[in-house]
Amino acid sequence: AQKITQTQPGMFVQEKEAVTLDCTYDTSDQSYGLFWYKQPSSGEMIFLIYQGSYDEQNATEGRYSLNFQKARKSANLVISASQLGDSAMYFCAMSPRLYSGGGADGLTFGKGTHLIIQP
Amino acid sequence: DTGVSQDPRHKITKRGQNVTFRCDPISEHNRLYWYRQTLGQGPEFLTYFQNEAQLEKSRLLSDRFSAERPKGSFSTLEIQRTEQGDSAMYLCATKGTGLYGYTFGSGTRLTVV
Repeated sequence: AQKITQTQPGMFVQEKEAVTLDCTYDTSDQSYGLFWYKQPSSGEMIFLIYQGSYDEQNATEGRYSLNFQKARKSANLVISASQLGDSAMYFCAMSPRLYSGGGADGLTFGKGTHLIIQP
Repeated sequence: DTGVSQDPRHKITKRGQNVTFRCDPISEHNRLYWYRQTLGQGPEFLTYFQNEAQLEKSRLLSDRFSAERPKGSFSTLEIQRTEQGDSAMYLCATKGTGLYGYTFGSGTRLTVV
């Protein structure tokens, strides 16, 4: 079974500062994928960034980067130069395999971190 | 077809009534997932289709819940004899073969009174 732990229920950050959202995971799988999603108050889940378990380099997507430390089983999200529009819930999630070659691959989510960016 | 559509966006129902939600996927995505998200929690996996075949169901999916995906296109999730504990956001997501990106719809928020 897979498990995601997000230990920060809420965070307040000043605009333009960098912010790190913590995520640790537990799995017995050798191949897995790690995801971060943003959920604004409107409810939709917006994909931010993905890291495969065999990827040696940390993933980056614009202002988002994923600090992947496999030995520690952590996959922290770093947002550089935060903006007011970054205020939302952020969820870390994992899938049981890198690609959907077959079989179930539903995502397992953490409980989320509520990020509030202050002007 | 630019995204995953869910209908309705909001549903208020009396306890004991049946409700049905619909999800229209991105046309070329053959995998479709249903999740339930209660207040203050992350989404929880309910069930998964590959084309028209329902391949996995979570233990969360009691026998009051049923999902279908006829012809491998849109999907419906029905809840019979609703209970107050069914109040949640129901999210649909789709995914193409070989891609890592799951695309979520905006969800249906169910309130059982």
